[in-house]
Amino acid sequence: EAQVTQNPRYLITVTGKKLTVTCSQNMNHEYMSWYRQDPGLGLRQIYYSMNVEVTDKGDVPEGYKVSRKEKRNFPLILESPSPNQTSLYFCASSFLSTSRFYGYTFGSGTRLTVV
Amino acid sequence: KQEVTQIPAALSVPEGENLVLNCSFTDSAIYNLQWFRQDPGKGLTSLLLIQSSQREQTSGRLNASLDKSSGRSTLYIAASQPGDSATYLCAVRLNTGGFKTIFGAGTRLFVKA
Repeated sequence: EAQVTQNPRYLITVTGKKLTVTCSQNMNHEYMSWYRQDPGLGLRQIYYSMNVEVTDKGDVPEGYKVSRKEKRNFPLILESPSPNQTSLYFCASSFLSTSRFYGYTFGSGTRLTVV
Repeated sequence: KQEVTQIPAALSVPEGENLVLNCSFTDSAIYNLQWFRQDPGKGLTSLLLIQSSQREQTSGRLNASLDKSSGRSTLYIAASQPGDSATYLCAVRLNTGGFKTIFGAGTRLFVKA
């Protein structure tokens, strides 16, 4: 089944303890992106990647890191989490072609609580 | 700066009613527009994708239209059912570097049995 898989689904952690949220897709998509969703603020892009070793900041990158060493994986790293990073996080992917533009496929989300 | 607005923010209808959700965007330089459904606390499920060169797409009881020149899209849901209750999000993929996607805030739909 074609899908984007995020892990974990739920995570409670303490301030300052480094964590990684994994994202993997099995559709050979070039483009991958991380979003956070907060009440009243909607979905905001954190980082995106247009291909292996190509990443760039979205609208709210502060406090986050990403890497794209393999096409299928795009982990989100919080080096020193803070309570304001408590949110619902989504990974999404799509093909990227100059001849046709595809829609996103989203993961099921990771609900992160930082205490 | 591209802005995506969805009206209404919330909608409650009786089962069986046909309804229209609206999405407007400020910049017509888009690659595509995608409608999603989101259940509370869950991920986004893609409903329909309209390329910038297309005018509409249909899937079952859903029909989405796109008018790039006026910056508008509508999602038409026929014969609504309680299972349609969810938040519906409109997302516009930009025709600029980074292929950024801008999301609307969503319309929360409740279909009463």
